[in-house]
Amino acid sequence: RKEVEQDPGPFNVPEGATVAFNCTYSNSASQSFFWYRQDCRKEPKLLMSVYSSGNEDGRFTAQLNRASQYISLLIRDSKLSDSATYLCVVNYGRGSTLGRLYFGRGTQLTVWP
Amino acid sequence: SQTIHQWPATLVQPVGSPLSLECTVEGTSNPNLYWYRQAAGRGLQLLFYSVGIGQISSEVPQNLSASRPQDRQFILSSKKLLLSDSGFYLCAWSVRTPPDTQYFGPGTRLTVL
Repeated sequence: RKEVEQDPGPFNVPEGATVAFNCTYSNSASQSFFWYRQDCRKEPKLLMSVYSSGNEDGRFTAQLNRASQYISLLIRDSKLSDSATYLCVVNYGRGSTLGRLYFGRGTQLTVWP
Repeated sequence: SQTIHQWPATLVQPVGSPLSLECTVEGTSNPNLYWYRQAAGRGLQLLFYSVGIGQISSEVPQNLSASRPQDRQFILSSKKLLLSDSGFYLCAWSVRTPPDTQYFGPGTRLTVL
């Protein structure tokens, strides 16, 4: 079983739409959670961290359900510039200070005019 | 602010040739450093990580090696490249405290012919 699993998509939505991505992780000891976005042929960039209480950053809302080991990302009022691959990322240490990130394969989003 | 540099940006090498990719971080001390590879259409694969000078841990057995000669310098090497070494190589850094958010360099796109 993969450490982090995501629906690969692609998701094709019109501008202004609301779209949601889901992600599950296998290790209940996971400590930190993130969403990264990766544009074509570019490096991943941190979109937002995900906190237990859920958090919002403008049009983006992230939710964490530890009991179900499930993370979500909601994008409201989609823009053309939101087109990218969204990576679900989970971190759990090994009893040291080193963070060990596990990346999902990403969900591809295309927003069309 | 912190910045991370990688070079070269692109590289085309024949099978059997050596490889040296360099990564440097500015604006932080004692970072954790990471090398990842992303093959075409695939997820991120952690290759090596380092918690300090001369301290390298390998995640996947392969014909690659890594070194950390200075606190903010991380080098990925190979004595003889294989076709399967083609991919997008990403260096990342993180601080040593949770949540260990990782920040990526711009990457090196390697094609082995």
